[in-house]
Amino acid sequence: AQSVSQHNHHVILSEAASLELGCNYSYGGTVNLFWYVQYPGQHLQLLLKYFSGDPLVKGIKGFEAEFIKSKFSFNLRKPSVQWSDTAEYFCAVRREYGNKLVFGAGTILRVKS
Amino acid sequence: NAGVTQTPKFQVLKTGQSMTLQCAQDMNHNSMYWYRQDPGMGLRLIYYSASEGTTDKGEVPNGYNVSRLNKREFSLRLESAAPSQTSVYFCASTAGPYNSPLHFGNGTRLTVT
Repeated sequence: AQSVSQHNHHVILSEAASLELGCNYSYGGTVNLFWYVQYPGQHLQLLLKYFSGDPLVKGIKGFEAEFIKSKFSFNLRKPSVQWSDTAEYFCAVRREYGNKLVFGAGTILRVKS
Repeated sequence: NAGVTQTPKFQVLKTGQSMTLQCAQDMNHNSMYWYRQDPGMGLRLIYYSASEGTTDKGEVPNGYNVSRLNKREFSLRLESAAPSQTSVYFCASTAGPYNSPLHFGNGTRLTVT
């Protein structure tokens, strides 16, 4: 069964620091990859997605992620975080043409102002 | 356009009681999902419905049943609630299921005492 690993459960950064959140998955076939964000008290929202093509994808609010197939990774990055980026971030993977979206355990990001 | 609507938002049950969580989407999506979210465990898929008339088990189906009433509605039933089912439940839908992201509802916070 496919699984998704997020390396850090809690990350604390100061404003303007750079962010990188790790995500690795176990499935060996073609996959669709997603990052979702959950702001405090809200539901999950899509940050960005990768289906095919350029492995560097850009999402909303200045976030980007790079798909490295050889490393089974899809790390999320942001050059300069803001206090409003405080949230929980989830990586998710779905087999191409599959029905199930499998989530990682999430990373709670706290940005200090 | 309401998107994905879940009711109720909060519920407290006693062990052994039953209840149904309701979910409806107005985006004409084919696929619908029920997830539970627990701290440190991310989102885990309970059941999903790839299309009207079909339902399938996810990662953690025990203790739950579902009904895809029509294309819009997908309900989750707890026949005999247990404290282990205390969680936040999210309904989601997608047009795909293949290359489309999930759209989430606002969640139902369930406490079983």
